[in-house]
Amino acid sequence: AQKITQTQPGMFVQEKEAVTLDCTYDTSDPSYGLFWYKQPSSGEMIFLIYQGSYDQQNATEGRYSLNFQKARKSANLVISASQLGDSAMYFCAMRHTGRRALTFGSGTRLQVQP
Amino acid sequence: EAGVAQSPRYKIIEKRQSVAFWCNPISGHATLYWYQQILGQGPKLLIQFQNNGVVDDSQLPKDRFSAERLKGVDSTLKIQPAKLEDSAVYLCASSSRSVSTDTQYFGPGTRLTVL
Repeated sequence: AQKITQTQPGMFVQEKEAVTLDCTYDTSDPSYGLFWYKQPSSGEMIFLIYQGSYDQQNATEGRYSLNFQKARKSANLVISASQLGDSAMYFCAMRHTGRRALTFGSGTRLQVQP
Repeated sequence: EAGVAQSPRYKIIEKRQSVAFWCNPISGHATLYWYQQILGQGPKLLIQFQNNGVVDDSQLPKDRFSAERLKGVDSTLKIQPAKLEDSAVYLCASSSRSVSTDTQYFGPGTRLTVL
């Protein structure tokens, strides 16, 4: 069975600094996709970044990058130059090839301090 | 391009009452998902549609929850009768297999409070 683990319930970061949010996963399938979503207090899940299990390079999207370590089964999100608007819940999720629905972790609440 | 639309945004009902939520996916997205997000947890899949057919409803409490997507576009999720533990945010998402990443895009959610 698939499982996503986010061990940091809450994180603080100073504005303009970088922060890493941890995510580990468990699957026996060689083909899978990993996603990060941001959920502000308004409730909407906003897609940030995607990493495929066969991708050779780590994914990047603007200030977001994914530190993908396949052997360790980790897919940590790195946010560079944090902004006050980055304060939100962040969820790591995995999609199994045979099942397109996502399995989510429990989330990390990030607070950016001025 | 318009995103996923959901209504209502908020709903308060008493236990044993019924409630319905509506979702309109991104145009052209054949796959539609309903997730339940209980406070402090990540979303969990309730049901997945491909066009107007059900692909996965293994986690749907079928004694009280039902969902339909009759014309393969918008969808309705119903709870009848509601229980206190149904208090949650109900998120609708859609995706398209024509996009290589098959990314799911979510609506704003409906926050349900059962008293």
